Amino acid sequence: NAGVTQTPKFQVLKTGQSMTLQCAQDMNHNSMYWYRQDPGMGLRLIYYSASEGTTDKGEVPNGYNVSRLNKREFSLRLESAAPSQTSVYFCASSDRGGRNTEAFFGQGTRLTVV
Amino acid sequence: DAKTTQPNSMESNEEEPVHLPCNHSTISGTDYIHWYRQLPSQGPEYVIHGLTSNVNNRMASLAIAEDRKSSTLILHRATLRDAAVYYCILRDDTDKLIFGTGTRLQVFP
Repeated sequence: NAGVTQTPKFQVLKTGQSMTLQCAQDMNHNSMYWYRQDPGMGLRLIYYSASEGTTDKGEVPNGYNVSRLNKREFSLRLESAAPSQTSVYFCASSDRGGRNTEAFFGQGTRLTVV
Repeated sequence: DAKTTQPNSMESNEEEPVHLPCNHSTISGTDYIHWYRQLPSQGPEYVIHGLTSNVNNRMASLAIAEDRKSSTLILHRATLRDAAVYYCILRDDTDKLIFGTGTRLQVFP
């Protein structure tokens, strides 16, 4: 059981570079989420997707774009990376009707922007 | 999104029970109470959830106050592996999962 898989696990970017963080889940879940976690802080929701083809902003969407390519995959793109985006990024998924279901998280992508 | 309030940190000795409190005075009638924990250098993992009745699973128990304005996560016998940040979250029908700051649990041998 792979669950939620994130790639890459580590990445160093220069300011202004772009990159896409990939996330895939194999549990046939409808809902997927992207979070960031700064050192010593809790997780903050960047974007989420309730189903294929739909996305919605979370708490901290500025500087990011997302794409729900299909039911399995939800990618997060940084068009022009900034040092303030240095963080650990987590992807998650859960079944539809989220209130009464559990969410599953990936192991994270540690991003450093220099 | 409804908010939760948790103590910043708690301590326990190994093999003792731990009661982690959470206040959620603005909870609505259909919000579920979820608990997740995050071990060092890992992604969060689900612990337990409930609506009105107390819940038990292999990891923990969840005690929900009768007015639902507070809940308590109970670890029956803490182990060193239970040292983590524990998050109490209210899930509503928007499908979002919003984290607070959580409680950092330290377990001493």
